[in-house]
Amino acid sequence: GENVEQHPSTLSVQEGDSAVIKCTYSDSASNYFPWYKQELGKRPQLIIDIRSNVGEKKDQRIAVTLNKTAKHFSLHITETQPEDSAVYFCAASVWGTASKLTFGTGTRLQVTL
Amino acid sequence: GAVVSQHPSWVICKSGTSVKIECRSLDFQATTMFWYRQFPKQSLMLMATSNEGSKATYEQGVEKDKFLINHASLTLSTLTVTSAHPEDSSFYICSATIAGGDNEQFFGPGTRLTVL
Repeated sequence: GENVEQHPSTLSVQEGDSAVIKCTYSDSASNYFPWYKQELGKRPQLIIDIRSNVGEKKDQRIAVTLNKTAKHFSLHITETQPEDSAVYFCAASVWGTASKLTFGTGTRLQVTL
Repeated sequence: GAVVSQHPSWVICKSGTSVKIECRSLDFQATTMFWYRQFPKQSLMLMATSNEGSKATYEQGVEKDKFLINHASLTLSTLTVTSAHPEDSSFYICSATIAGGDNEQFFGPGTRLTVL
């Protein structure tokens, strides 16, 4: 089955700096890669996703890049703000109705003032 | 749109008792729902995939007789933790995909289970 590794496990940045979180996956059949933000005790929230037919996708301060050959994908957050502090999870799946997600281990991001 | 609710939001029970958690899609029909378990400071681990009108598919290592899943309608799936023990204490989260839709899973708010 799919295995998703995520690094780093914790990340501390100063407000205004950029944050980068990296994930690798093992199953070459995976072609859908969402990123979730989870605040303590809350549900995961989809913040951005990418399908394997594109190499990069951007939404305001958030971007995701995908390298299919290397089976790597990364989340980039620019101009970080204190409200970006949370745990971020990457995931991988095969695109199609009701396909299960395999989650990475999570990155705890702390944005300090 | 695409709201998923869970009930209860938290529950405390005694060891040996059973607990039922409900997952509802409020404004859409969900042919498939997923059940996850999340221990403190860990990731979401898929327990089972639940399809309306059929038996759930359990992930390796998840005891189907302990975690009973019923998906009786297109808007409701239930997870029953039978003979709960302290090690079953966890955050249980469900998600649902829209019937005829794409991959996006819509997550419920989670249920915090504490077994004494």
